[in-house]
Amino acid sequence: GAGVSQSPSNKVTEKGKDVELRCDPISGHTALYWYRQSLGQGLEFLIYFQGNSAPDKSGLPSDRFSAERTGGSVSTLTIQRTQQEDSAVYLCASSLTGGGTKNIQYFGAGTRLSVL
Amino acid sequence: DQQVKQNSPSLSVQEGRISILNCDYTNSMFDYFLWYKKYPAEGPTFLISISSIKDKNEDGRFTVFLNKSAKHLSLHIVPSQPGDSAVYFCAAEQGSQGNLIFGKGTKLSVKP
Repeated sequence: GAGVSQSPSNKVTEKGKDVELRCDPISGHTALYWYRQSLGQGLEFLIYFQGNSAPDKSGLPSDRFSAERTGGSVSTLTIQRTQQEDSAVYLCASSLTGGGTKNIQYFGAGTRLSVL
Repeated sequence: DQQVKQNSPSLSVQEGRISILNCDYTNSMFDYFLWYKKYPAEGPTFLISISSIKDKNEDGRFTVFLNKSAKHLSLHIVPSQPGDSAVYFCAAEQGSQGNLIFGKGTKLSVKP
């Protein structure tokens, strides 16, 4: 597709379970970002991948959160042992190149995660 | 500690009038600013941006103004249209850092 694709669009899980969220960036974009938006809040940065460089994980809220990007394309965000405070919309974005180059980030529609 | 602040959670404007959305920031190292628009159940879409070396950028009905001394930027929409009703996020980027820092958003309602 032409845009950033995220799946699933909605995910309901029980507290303590693991979840995987997927992001398929725009073809040719080397930079990929994960953010989350909790109710009534702005977008909170989680992690940033740029090409083959080590990812910037400075925004991950705990060690239960991890992400990988395989082959420089698709990314998976994994949340282990989910907690109710993890409930949020998880947004993925991609840009042509990375930070410092003033590239526009293009967002997917997000995955709405609900932890019961 | 919010580095990007949008102090008005909502704004209501009559169709045809000007909408002014405000954003304040605290980090003087920010050198690029963006506005995104978000409709319900969709991801944010890029609207307009401005580099810190400029004080104004215009694109059709949308103009962004930057006042570096006041650490303040604003988005002007004129004339406002009902289709502009959405949540508007202000975002900032610092140097070589990849991620954007977002405000909490302002919900704009344009009444016909």
